[in-house]
Amino acid sequence: ETGVTQSPTHLIKTRGQQVTLRCSSQSGHNTVSWYQQALGQGPQFIFQYYREEENGRGNFPPRFSGLQFPNYSSELNVNALELDDSALYLCASSRWGVGNEKLFFGSGTQLSVL
Amino acid sequence: AQTVTQSQPEMSVQEAETVTLSCTYDTSESDYYLFWYKQPPSRQMILVIRQEAYKQQNATENRFSVNFQKAAKSFSLKISDSQLGDAAMYFCAYRSAGGANSKLTFGKGITLSVRP
Repeated sequence: ETGVTQSPTHLIKTRGQQVTLRCSSQSGHNTVSWYQQALGQGPQFIFQYYREEENGRGNFPPRFSGLQFPNYSSELNVNALELDDSALYLCASSRWGVGNEKLFFGSGTQLSVL
Repeated sequence: AQTVTQSQPEMSVQEAETVTLSCTYDTSESDYYLFWYKQPPSRQMILVIRQEAYKQQNATENRFSVNFQKAAKSFSLKISDSQLGDAAMYFCAYRSAGGANSKLTFGKGITLSVRP
């Protein structure tokens, strides 16, 4: 049990809709990152948040956005959903400033876009 | 940009035997971290082992050990005395040592099955 919780566990949306995924970081962790894992692939880095600001982003369009709250919980928002957005979305938390600090992952949200 | 390659999509091992999972990577950086993560059906990524590139000694964690060849950019995972609970997807991952960015670059993964 790593203490990183994600909700919901599964979600079904239709193309064009908007979705919000939520993550609660492990206690003491102030950095959260989000990953997209398509079926049969490794996770792809979406972005990272520290002190409520985005401070690193992967190759994802602006319709992928996020928020980090003072209690270090986080949201991933995806607008104008496309079929290719169907994937497992993983949240990971860590402590800022320690390069070799472990990342702790949640169990993910499985998003299906129809 | 860094890339991580896992060329074996699947492997199988007999319970109690040893298996080696392969991984190669490409980077122009001299300092970085390499990881092996396990992803069981529960979907949660679990850290198996970590290697710091500036350390020549190969990391070990109980039944898990790595063969880190920096010049060859190779990072294989050896699982000794395989157990049924080792069956899962295994991902090799890379992380830059500079700064505090937690970005991991993953390979495509390998499915390991353990035969009883």
